[in-house]
Amino acid sequence: NAGVTQTPKFRVLKTGQSMTLLCAQDMNHEYMYWYRQDPGMGLRLIHYSVGEGTTAKGEVPDGYNVSRLKKQNFLLGLESAAPSQTSVYFCASSYESSSYEQYFGPGTRLTVT
Amino acid sequence: GEDVEQSLFLSVREGDSSVINCTYTDSSSTYLYWYKQEPGAGLQLLTYIFSNMDMKQDQRLTVLLNKKDKHLSLRIADTQTGDSAIYFCAPDMRFGAGTRLTVKP
Repeated sequence: NAGVTQTPKFRVLKTGQSMTLLCAQDMNHEYMYWYRQDPGMGLRLIHYSVGEGTTAKGEVPDGYNVSRLKKQNFLLGLESAAPSQTSVYFCASSYESSSYEQYFGPGTRLTVT
Repeated sequence: GEDVEQSLFLSVREGDSSVINCTYTDSSSTYLYWYKQEPGAGLQLLTYIFSNMDMKQDQRLTVLLNKKDKHLSLRIADTQTGDSAIYFCAPDMRFGAGTRLTVKP
């Protein structure tokens, strides 16, 4: 099992460009999450999904969109990147509710210039 | 998250014990997790404790839970340089800012 994988690992964008981060899990988990990690702020939840075809907003959803067309994939989109979105992005998944143990991907480091 | 607080830094000498503390506000938290993040990597689950327990030991790790005070701690015995990392407290997967543990030889 690969667990949770994320692509790409690194990306540099110019302000206003768009991109999609892909997360994939092979554990048949229902729940998937996107977090961003900034220095001194821990992890903040951007969006999450409780099953295929569903998405919900987390703590910091503005400027991001998500889609969960297939159970194993969770996509995070930035329509018009801003320097404030420079961060490390982590995807995670869990079998049941968000209170249960989450398995994390290795992260995507995004820089917006 | 602002409802989970941890000190940002801790420095210890190799072989000493490390104690990382965490306070939280949600008294209904059921599963209280500790995650470890090594440089350039994702988060890995270290251990967790159920809210109906007050202590859990797992090899060099000891978790103490004081529900009344909403205080959680992680003790690492015989700390090694490989333990240098950021440690996150996460009651019901609400994350603190993380404590960066530095182990000096």
